[in-house]
Amino acid sequence: DTAVSQTPKYLVTQMGNDKSIKCEQNLGHDTMYWYKQDSKKFLKIMFSYNNKELIINETVPNRFSPKSPDKAHLNLHINSLELGDSAVYFCASSQFGQPQHFGDGTRLSIL
Amino acid sequence: AQTVTQSQPEMSVQEAETVTLSCTYDTSESNYYLFWYKQPPSRQMILVIRQEAYKQQNATENRFSVNFQKAAKSFSLKISDSQLGDTAMYFCAFGNAGNMLTFGGGTRLMVKP
Repeated sequence: DTAVSQTPKYLVTQMGNDKSIKCEQNLGHDTMYWYKQDSKKFLKIMFSYNNKELIINETVPNRFSPKSPDKAHLNLHINSLELGDSAVYFCASSQFGQPQHFGDGTRLSIL
Repeated sequence: AQTVTQSQPEMSVQEAETVTLSCTYDTSESNYYLFWYKQPPSRQMILVIRQEAYKQQNATENRFSVNFQKAAKSFSLKISDSQLGDTAMYFCAFGNAGNMLTFGGGTRLMVKP
C-alpha cells in the first residue's frame, strides 16, 4: 500500500535516447510534483500539476515533459537525454497546505 | 523567488546528545510553510516536522523541535537524545502558497556511537 510509487527505481540508458518515469499516488491528493536531485544532493522543483494546470520551473529544458492521464498519475518523459540529466528524480504529491509525500526516487544514469 | 540557506554542510553528534541544524530563508510572501525533511542513505524523503508561518508556537514532534523566528527568517531544527538512526541528510524547505517547495542545500548529520 505504497502512497507514492515511482517506476523504475533505476534507469540506465544511452545519451540521445528518450525515456519515461512513471509516478502514481493513491492518497487522493490534488497536486503532484517532480523534483530533480543532482549529484551534490541539491533538490529542485521541476513541475507542479494541479487540476490540469501545469506550473513549470523556467529553468527546466523543454526536453522534459510531464504527462498526467488522470489525477493519480504524473509521468515524466525526457527526450534526447544528455549526460547532465543524470540525477535522482523524485515524484511527490500533496493536498494544499499539507506536507508533500515523496516517492522513493528514480536514479537515472546516462552513459 | 525564495531562497533557503543551510550554512552547515556537515555536522556530527554523539549518541544521546542534542544537536541543532540551522536554516535561514528569504521571502516576500506572508503565507507559507516551513519543513524539515530527512533523507537517509536509502534516499527516501521523510517528513520530520512542519511549521505554519502564521503560528507563533514552535512545532514539536517527539525528539524533534524547531525554533521558528519569523522576523529573523530563521527555522532551526533541534534533535534531542540523538539516535544512530538519525544519521541522514537533513533538508530545510520553504513551501509557498502554491505548495511548491524550495529546498536548502542540506546538512549531512552523523550520529556517532
